[in-house]
Amino acid sequence: DAKTTQPPSMDCAEGRAANLPCNHSTISGNEYVYWYRQIHSQGPQYIIHGLKNNETNEMASLIITEDRKSSTLILPHATLRDTAVYYCIDNTNAGKSTFGDGTTLTVKP
Amino acid sequence: NAGVTQTPKFRILKIGQSMTLQCTQDMNHNYMYWYRQDPGMGLKLIYYSVGAGITDKGEVPNGYNVSRSTTEDFPLRLELAAPSQTSVYFCASRGDRYLQPQHFGDGTRLSIL
Repeated sequence: DAKTTQPPSMDCAEGRAANLPCNHSTISGNEYVYWYRQIHSQGPQYIIHGLKNNETNEMASLIITEDRKSSTLILPHATLRDTAVYYCIDNTNAGKSTFGDGTTLTVKP
Repeated sequence: NAGVTQTPKFRILKIGQSMTLQCTQDMNHNYMYWYRQDPGMGLKLIYYSVGAGITDKGEVPNGYNVSRSTTEDFPLRLELAAPSQTSVYFCASRGDRYLQPQHFGDGTRLSIL
């Protein structure tokens, strides 16, 4: 069973920020939060990861709450090409990952 | 740089047939993974490997076998194909450096009729 909980679907207007939430109710101290996305039926693509501090890269920003029980992936200016399924996972360096069903983000013109 | 390469891309099998899904990576990664993804669902881990000669079961290993004789290759074997194994199969690899993300192949779409 997946260790994280995500809403099944979300919509976002093109050009606006997309905020995708994730609950990590069973995350442990040495587990990092990772986000991936899957466009159409391609293989998932890595987006960003973090432990407890907020992170930003060229694709997105990651906000992790102080208790680490939830995180939010932010796409600051969503485009139609950001329409995809987004997965959040808890992962240790052992690398054994459990993917849930993700959130289907639809960016609308 | 090819990354993770999976073959074949599509395959139709009859019930009871066997086949091997091939996965190779050219990034010298020790960690490799096999997932299956059923329609509208997330990825489920079948088997994984932390290096040549070392494999371990994931969430859904029944009906599958793997081997890891080289760093580059991680084939997945279906011995007696069943309709429940109709799915899309993804292979992934990851580097050894701390917290490296997984790199995925494009998948193999398998139908068992």
